[in-house]
Amino acid sequence: RKEVEQDPGPFNVPEGATVAFNCTYSNSASQSFFWYRQDCRKEPKLLMSVYSSGNEDGRFTAQLNRASQYISLLIRDSKLSDSATYLCVVTEYSSASKIIFGSGTRLSIRP
Amino acid sequence: GAVVSQHPSWVICKSGTSVKIECRSLDFQATTMFWYRQFPKQSLMLMATSNEGSKATYEQGVEKDKFLINHASLTLSTLTVTSAHPEDSSFYICSAPGEGLQETQYFGPGTRLLVL
Repeated sequence: RKEVEQDPGPFNVPEGATVAFNCTYSNSASQSFFWYRQDCRKEPKLLMSVYSSGNEDGRFTAQLNRASQYISLLIRDSKLSDSATYLCVVTEYSSASKIIFGSGTRLSIRP
Repeated sequence: GAVVSQHPSWVICKSGTSVKIECRSLDFQATTMFWYRQFPKQSLMLMATSNEGSKATYEQGVEKDKFLINHASLTLSTLTVTSAHPEDSSFYICSAPGEGLQETQYFGPGTRLLVL
C-alpha cells in the first residue's frame, strides 16, 4: 500500500462545477498535511495547509479526518485557471522530517 | 515570502558527463534541503535529504555515488549527477522547509536535464 494515495483522475469538468479530491495516508503518526498545485513543467506551489478543524480559502476548502486518515480538497465554482495537478503532501516527524507526496490528481477545466 | 533558486534551469549534455545543479535559499537559511526527481506524468520522488555540514541522507534505491550532494553552507546545496546517462534525463527540483510546526516547503523552479 502506498504511503499517500490520491484519487486516480484525471478529472475533466466544466467551468463553474464543483470538484472534490480525496487523499488517504497510511501512517497515523503523520502530523502535517498540505495541498500543493503543480502546473505543467513548473515546480509545485503551496495551495493550502490542512487542519483538523478544516480551512477555507476563497473557493477552496480543505478538510482533515484523522480517524479515517484522509484529507480532502473541494474546489467550488471552478475556473479555467484551476487546471493543474493537485498534490497531496504529508509530513511525518520521527527522527527526522519525512515528506511524502501523493502521485497527484490531474484536473482539467473545460469552457 | 521565502525564495529558493536553482541553477541552471536547463541542461543538455552528452552521455558520460557530470552535471552540477545548484539550489540556493535567497532570503533565509536552510540547514536542510530536499532533492526530488520527477519523470513525465509522474509525481515528485524524494531522492535525498541534504544536511548542512554533514552527509546527505539518500532514499532507498538512489545511488549516493551517482548523485553527489554537498551542502557546504546554510544557503547552498548542490546535486551533481555523475556520468549522466539518458535515463537520468528528468526534472530535478529542490526544496527547503519553512519554519514552525506546520512546515511548508519552498520549491526551487526546477532544472530540466536532458542527456543525449
